[in-house]
Amino acid sequence: EAQVTQNPRYLITVTGKKLTVTCSQNMNHEYMSWYRQDPGLGLRQIYYSMNVEVTDKGDVPEGYKVSRKEKRNFPLILESPSPNQTSLYFCASSLSPGGGSNQPQHFGDGTRLSIL
Amino acid sequence: QKEVEQNSGPLSVPEGAIASLNCTYSDRGSQSFFWYRQYSGKSPELIMSIYSNGDKEDGRFTAQLNKASQYVSLLIRDSQPSDSATYLCAVNTDRGSTLGRLYFGRGTQLTVWP
Repeated sequence: EAQVTQNPRYLITVTGKKLTVTCSQNMNHEYMSWYRQDPGLGLRQIYYSMNVEVTDKGDVPEGYKVSRKEKRNFPLILESPSPNQTSLYFCASSLSPGGGSNQPQHFGDGTRLSIL
Repeated sequence: QKEVEQNSGPLSVPEGAIASLNCTYSDRGSQSFFWYRQYSGKSPELIMSIYSNGDKEDGRFTAQLNKASQYVSLLIRDSQPSDSATYLCAVNTDRGSTLGRLYFGRGTQLTVWP
């Protein structure tokens, strides 16, 4: 089954404790992306990756890191989480960038992070 | 910053009515336009995509695009309670420095009451 898998689905942690949210896709997609979703603000892109070893900042990259060492994986790293990073996070992948050329983005189920 | 604006909700319609969702975008270079549906607590799922001016129909859904007016809409005919969700408009340019970027509106919450 084609899917984007995020882990963990839920996490409550404390300020400053490094955490990693994993994202894996089994569709051989080149393009992957991380979004955060906050009430009233919609989906905002954090980072995206066009291919292995190619990453770029989205609209809200501060406080986050990513890496793309393998095509299927795109982890999101919070080196020193703060309460303002409490949010719902989505990983997405697509065959081509931005959902163009009739290739939609496939979203993972989401990770709800609470930073105390 | 690419702006994508959606009509503020929430939108409430009776079962069987037509629900009309609107979206405007700021970047004239935008090439691809999408409507995603998101149920509460779930991830967004693509329901419509449109790339050229005019209407595109898929079942009860019709997407309308007017690039001159920088406007895209989604019509849901014969609305059902199961259509109750937040609808997200998304656009991207498919080219240039913003290749790879998909910009979302804040969403419009739709409630269809029986």
